[in-house]
Amino acid sequence: AQSVTQLGSHVSVSEGALVLLRCNYSSSVPPYLFWYVQYPNQGLQLLLKYTSAATLVKGINGFEAEFKKSETSFHLTKPSAHMSDAAEYFCAVRNQAGTALIFGKGTTLSVSS
Amino acid sequence: GAGVSQSPSNKVTEKGKDVELRCDPISGHTALYWYRQSLGQGLEFLIYFQGNSAPDKSGLPSDRFSAERTGGSVSTLTIQRTQQEDSAVYLCASSSGTGEYNEQFFGPGTRLTVL
Repeated sequence: AQSVTQLGSHVSVSEGALVLLRCNYSSSVPPYLFWYVQYPNQGLQLLLKYTSAATLVKGINGFEAEFKKSETSFHLTKPSAHMSDAAEYFCAVRNQAGTALIFGKGTTLSVSS
Repeated sequence: GAGVSQSPSNKVTEKGKDVELRCDPISGHTALYWYRQSLGQGLEFLIYFQGNSAPDKSGLPSDRFSAERTGGSVSTLTIQRTQQEDSAVYLCASSSGTGEYNEQFFGPGTRLTVL
């Protein structure tokens, strides 16, 4: 069965600092992986998705993620944090039946000036 | 174009009452999903509809929960005899199909509070 673990429920960075949000997955089949962002009182928005075409995936707002099969990881990074990046971030894997996304518990990113 | 819409945005009800939550997917999207977001459990899948196929109900937590999708478009999630543990944000999403990388577009959610 597929599952996702996000390490760190809360990450705090200074504006301009590197953002690193960790995600490890478990999957018995090649995984389909996604990162979503949720701003306060809003729905989820797709940041990026792993399509197997390349291990380094670029998404919106300067975010990117690297798929590492050997480490079963799909960590999300951004070189320089902005105040507007403050939000909750969810890593997800598609279930084997293809009928749903299985989400991690989420990581809240705080950005201070 | 319009995104996924959900109504009501907030619902407060008393324990034991029935509630109906509505989802309008993006026009033309054949797949529709319901999720529940709560503090203790995070984001959980509830139910999935795809065209005229039988829905995947494997995520529904109890038989008090049901959902239907009429005419392949609008969906209603019904919770009967609500309990306090049903308090959560209910999110609806839709996608254009079931391809491996089809993006799910999420609505803003309905916040349900059971007193």
